[in-house]
Amino acid sequence: GQNIDQPTEMTATEGAIVQINCTYQTSGFNGLFWYQQHAGEAPTFLSYNVLDGLEEKGRFSSFLSRSKGYSYLLLKELQMKDSASYLCAVLDSNYQLIWGAGTKLIIKP
Amino acid sequence: IAGITQAPTSQILAAGRRMTLRCTQDMRHNAMYWYRQDLGLGLRLIHYSNTAGTTGKGEVPDGYSVSRANTDDFPLTLASAVPSQTSVYFCASSDSKGLATDTQYFGPGTRLTVL
Repeated sequence: GQNIDQPTEMTATEGAIVQINCTYQTSGFNGLFWYQQHAGEAPTFLSYNVLDGLEEKGRFSSFLSRSKGYSYLLLKELQMKDSASYLCAVLDSNYQLIWGAGTKLIIKP
Repeated sequence: IAGITQAPTSQILAAGRRMTLRCTQDMRHNAMYWYRQDLGLGLRLIHYSNTAGTTGKGEVPDGYSVSRANTDDFPLTLASAVPSQTSVYFCASSDSKGLATDTQYFGPGTRLTVL
């Protein structure tokens, strides 16, 4: 079966750095997405990785290792507004998105 | 303003009633999707449409039907609602031409409660 694993919840301090991990087992791979979802709102696109390595976008970076079936989202200089759920999703061989359950990130002052 | 709209925002429905959730996008995306999101679970695909006139079943299609008469609209119908269909429903769309253009853009969601 297809499976996406990510921690259920993480807590971090304002101004710090946090890394949210995602491991996956899917039938084929056509890219990995990270989405941010604030409580009561729709998911919004953060990043897309299809090749191994690190993609940096301002305070957010996303890393992919296809051989290990592993990705992480790195958030730097955390702000209170970063409190949200972070969803990992893999595009499988049929171009269907397989979603993880999400990681709820709590930022404390 | 370009994007996806959904209606209604929320609804309380008696079990056994028929309900249609509406979704409209103005980005001319060819692919559209319906998901449900339940606490502790990832987004689960109900139905999808790769292009106008075609639809397909996702992971949890039972009890739901869709149609795609044109590019912009993708309604989801619950023929006879049951309490287990209580959820938040998200509509999404994408260009589906491969790689980063498969990024899905989501509507604001419909919170449905079936009693």
